[in-house]
Amino acid sequence: EVQLVQSGAEVKKPGESLKISCKGSRNSFINYWIGWVRQMPGKGLEWMGIIYPGDSDTRYSPSFQGQVTISADKSISTAYLQWSSLKASDTAMYYCARLACTSCYNFDYWGQGTLVTVSS
Amino acid sequence: QSALTQPASVSGSLGQSITISCTGTSRDVGSNNYGSWYQQHPGKAPKLMIYDVSKRPSRVSNRFSGSKSGNTASLTISGLQAEDEADYYCTSYTSSSTFVFGTGTRVTVL
Repeated sequence: EVQLVQSGAEVKKPGESLKISCKGSRNSFINYWIGWVRQMPGKGLEWMGIIYPGDSDTRYSPSFQGQVTISADKSISTAYLQWSSLKASDTAMYYCARLACTSCYNFDYWGQGTLVTVSS
Repeated sequence: QSALTQPASVSGSLGQSITISCTGTSRDVGSNNYGSWYQQHPGKAPKLMIYDVSKRPSRVSNRFSGSKSGNTASLTISGLQAEDEADYYCTSYTSSSTFVFGTGTRVTVL
């Protein structure tokens, strides 16, 4: 069964850095695009960006370009989302999700979500 | 890149049909046939319900159907059931090779 397992909840202070992860099984990860989605408390889904772990080709939503960094380590089937300096407005649930195939445009499997809380 | 526009809420009685609209532009919804719909229950991850405008994953009930006309995609739920009460989001691939989500619609079953 395909599974994307995300790292646990985080509580951070403004200005701190953070890197959260999304790990898949090798055959469900290496040849698939992995995207990140933000959901602020009580709000809708926002597409942040996407990465192809095979060659680290990465695309960002204009809204998140320069605000976060998406990366991946294909050797351990893991994608990452990181911040260099968190803000209170980064408080949200973050989901990773897999595009169904290399020429597909839908997210067929999702991680369980990582809750990030930024508070002084 | 603005979010696609969905009605904030739609309601219907058990057994009825409802339709949720998703309006974008010629740079997203109107530019391809790659639109998808996701269902999200409170506290849960989203679940794919419709892809490529009108295709349905095998595990999704045939009560769910999708369509598109111009810059507007639609999701129809027929034979509304209690478990359909959830938030629904459309999404589209864009001409900039990015994705954009809709604003989301809360479906209430009366």
